[in-house]
Amino acid sequence: GAGVSQTPSNKVTEKGKYVELRCDPISGHTALYWYRQSLGQGPEFLIYFQGTGAADDSGLPNDRFFAVRPEGSVSTLKIQRTERGDSAVYLCASSLIGTAPSTDTQYFGPGTRLTVL
Amino acid sequence: AQTVTQSQPEMSVQEAETVTLSCTYDTSESDYYLFWYKQPPSRQMILVIRQEAYKQQNATENRFSVNFQKAAKSFSLKISDSQLGDAAMYFCAYRSRNDYKLSFGAGTTVTVRA
Repeated sequence: GAGVSQTPSNKVTEKGKYVELRCDPISGHTALYWYRQSLGQGPEFLIYFQGTGAADDSGLPNDRFFAVRPEGSVSTLKIQRTERGDSAVYLCASSLIGTAPSTDTQYFGPGTRLTVL
Repeated sequence: AQTVTQSQPEMSVQEAETVTLSCTYDTSESDYYLFWYKQPPSRQMILVIRQEAYKQQNATENRFSVNFQKAAKSFSLKISDSQLGDAAMYFCAYRSRNDYKLSFGAGTTVTVRA
């Protein structure tokens, strides 16, 4: 596609429920990133994929968060037993290569706004 | 971890005038990249401009230009001839050449008055 797309645009769920957020990167981009943006803050890194593998998941806040990218393209961020503190905008980005050293620029999707009631 | 600081939560500018957004960062690296991203209410994070630390010349993209002061670790964005469509949240971001993570500041909300 022309840009990074994310679905759904908005997700409202109840505390304790399971949610999945989807990201479609720019075609041909091997690197994919997830960030979380809390209200009034800048995005914070969650996880980075190089191809199908999670090269760095050090930003995931706890083991309720998990992400996959089984075929090296689409990625799904999964959150179990959601808590009110998980409410945020979840942004996905992709870049051409990703591996450092790199001149890559990351291109972002419009994000999914998650609200946990 | 690198720290990116944007000290201006909000800035207001008259249409057609110029506004400058401040950004400072803390790093021990010598080779890195700096970015300004624009985030309108649609939430789409759009790359405005990018600067390579090894380049002394300041980057320019149409009405957007930066003032990069490496020794002072300062990276300000100047928006000239401001337009109503420039109204958005602006984020300064840092990435080491040897890393892939972006570190963002807290953002500056720009309002353009007609």
